[in-house]
Amino acid sequence: GENVEQHPSTLSVQEGDSAVIKCTYSDSASNYFPWYKQELGKGPQLIIDIRSNVGEKKDQRIAVTLNKTAKHFSLHITETQPEDSAVYFCAAREAGKSTFGDGTTLTVKP
Amino acid sequence: GAVVSQHPSWVICKSGTSVKIECRSLDFQATTMFWYRQFPKQSLMLMATSNEGSKATYEQGVEKDKFLINHASLTLSTLTVTSAHPEDSSFYICSARDGFSSYNEQFFGPGTRLTVL
Repeated sequence: GENVEQHPSTLSVQEGDSAVIKCTYSDSASNYFPWYKQELGKGPQLIIDIRSNVGEKKDQRIAVTLNKTAKHFSLHITETQPEDSAVYFCAAREAGKSTFGDGTTLTVKP
Repeated sequence: GAVVSQHPSWVICKSGTSVKIECRSLDFQATTMFWYRQFPKQSLMLMATSNEGSKATYEQGVEKDKFLINHASLTLSTLTVTSAHPEDSSFYICSARDGFSSYNEQFFGPGTRLTVL
């Protein structure tokens, strides 16, 4: 089955700096890669996603890049703000089933 | 984005009792629903996938007789934890996907915190 590895497990940045979280996947058949933000005690919220036929997607301060050859994809957050502090999960989906990374705890220091 | 609700948001029960958690899609047809379990500071563990009107498909290691899933309508799925024990205490999250939508993204509910005493 699919295996998703996510790094780093924790990330601390200063407000205004950029944050990058990386994920690798094993199954070349995976074709959909969402990123979720989860705040304490709440369910995950989709923040951005990318499909396998696209290399990059951007939505305001958030961007995702995908390298299908290397089987890795990354989340980029620019101009970080304290409210960006949360746990971020990547996922890879194939045949309707999503496999999640272990999560990255992002802390943005004011 | 689409909204998925869960009820209750938290529940405390005695060991041996059964607990039912509801998951509803509020503004779309959830052709597929997923149930996850999440332990503190850990990732989401998929328990089962259900398609409306069909029996749920359980992941390896998940007891289907203990975690009963019903997906009888396009807007409602329920997870019943039968004869709950303290080790069943966890955060249960449902997710729904609209198979009729070409976009096909997956939306998560807010989760239910189950504590078994």
